[in-house]
Amino acid sequence: SQKIEQNSEALNIQEGKTATLTCNYTNYSPAYLQWYRQDPGRGPVFLLLIRENEKEKRKERLKVTFDTTLKQSLFHITASQPADSATYLCALRILSSGSARQLTFGSGTQLTVLP
Amino acid sequence: DTGVSQDPRHKITKRGQNVTFRCDPISEHNRLYWYRQTLGQGPEFLTYFQNEAQLEKSRLLSDRFSAERPKGSFSTLEIQRTEQGDSAMYLCASSFRAGKEYEQYFGPGTRLTVT
Repeated sequence: SQKIEQNSEALNIQEGKTATLTCNYTNYSPAYLQWYRQDPGRGPVFLLLIRENEKEKRKERLKVTFDTTLKQSLFHITASQPADSATYLCALRILSSGSARQLTFGSGTQLTVLP
Repeated sequence: DTGVSQDPRHKITKRGQNVTFRCDPISEHNRLYWYRQTLGQGPEFLTYFQNEAQLEKSRLLSDRFSAERPKGSFSTLEIQRTEQGDSAMYLCASSFRAGKEYEQYFGPGTRLTVT
């Protein structure tokens, strides 16, 4: 069956350190992968997109890698701050016949950055 | 505020009642999506509109659920004969073809509680 797995446990790190979140998937061949941030009681906010033919993408303190052989994406936040505390969701878009516009989300990883 | 808006933000209803939610996407966005999210899980795709046409529906969307986007602008999601299992956050998102079509902008969600 198709599955997306993110860090199963919540992640606590010290301010200033690099947070690394993992997204693994099975039985998918995604066209691209996205990362979203979600704060409690709010909708997800788009952060980064990486395509299947890209290895790495950066945006300010954020970096995403995408290994289609390992079927894994890593999401890094460098110089983490308490304001980075949130749930981070990875989402895959799979291109199939028809107009498959849906995103398939993982269950998210709750990150807490401790001051 | 030019973001995606949803109304109401919270809805409590008794089992068996019908409920309707509204989503107003970002004005220039022609694509609109509905998702459902339960606690500790990522959003699950329900349905997708391009302009006024409903192009995709998830198998999760039972016959009790119906969605419309009559003029290609706002959308409504109706749940008939609500069940306790319908309790969830219902999220709406929109995106725009060309350029950044892959970024989905989410609204704050409507939290439904069925008692």
